[in-house]
Amino acid sequence: QKEVEQNSGPLSVPEGAIASLNCTYSDRGSQSFFWYRQYSGKSPELIMFIYSNGDKEDGRFTAQLNKASQYVSLLIRDSQPSDSATYLCAVGGSGGSNYKLTFGKGTLLTVNP
Amino acid sequence: DVKVTQSSRYLVKRTGEKVFLECVQDMDHENMFWYRQDPGLGLRLIYFSYDVKMKEKGDIPEGYSVSREKKERFSLILESASTNQTSMYLCASRLDRRGNIQYFGAGTRLSVL
Repeated sequence: QKEVEQNSGPLSVPEGAIASLNCTYSDRGSQSFFWYRQYSGKSPELIMFIYSNGDKEDGRFTAQLNKASQYVSLLIRDSQPSDSATYLCAVGGSGGSNYKLTFGKGTLLTVNP
Repeated sequence: DVKVTQSSRYLVKRTGEKVFLECVQDMDHENMFWYRQDPGLGLRLIYFSYDVKMKEKGDIPEGYSVSREKKERFSLILESASTNQTSMYLCASRLDRRGNIQYFGAGTRLSVL
């Protein structure tokens, strides 16, 4: 069974700080990695995806991927109260399971004004 | 923008009833998915359809079936609803096997009494 593990949280940061969310995965063949944001009672919303080792930046968000360590992270700079949500890490399957996304259980982030 | 529409936001059914959850996407996506989301268990894949009339079992297909007669519509069927099927149900769609980004509908919160 392929697994995706996230730091359990909850994570609390002050407004303006950097929030760091981490994720490890077990499937060495995985090639695609996603971060979804989910507000309470709402559905997941894609905020970042990354396919290659290194960093990928989009506004205040940076995704980091290290395939050798099987590790992916999300940094949120200048955190805002509106960033308060659960963040889900999702990893694409490999080989015949490449259609499949395996999700972590999520990390609850609270940004305090 | 991709739009994935689930027919109901909230649904209350009785044990033993046959339940239909409907999902429609308007972006001509080939692939569609049904997940359920439960506290502490995360998102789990129930069924996947890669094309019209084609389906594959996910991780937890027991007690469910699906129907995809038209490309834009993917239905989840609970043949005889049970209380342990009380959950949030999320539909997602994806362009095809090469495009791994999944887009989610708003979700249906189903209560089985």
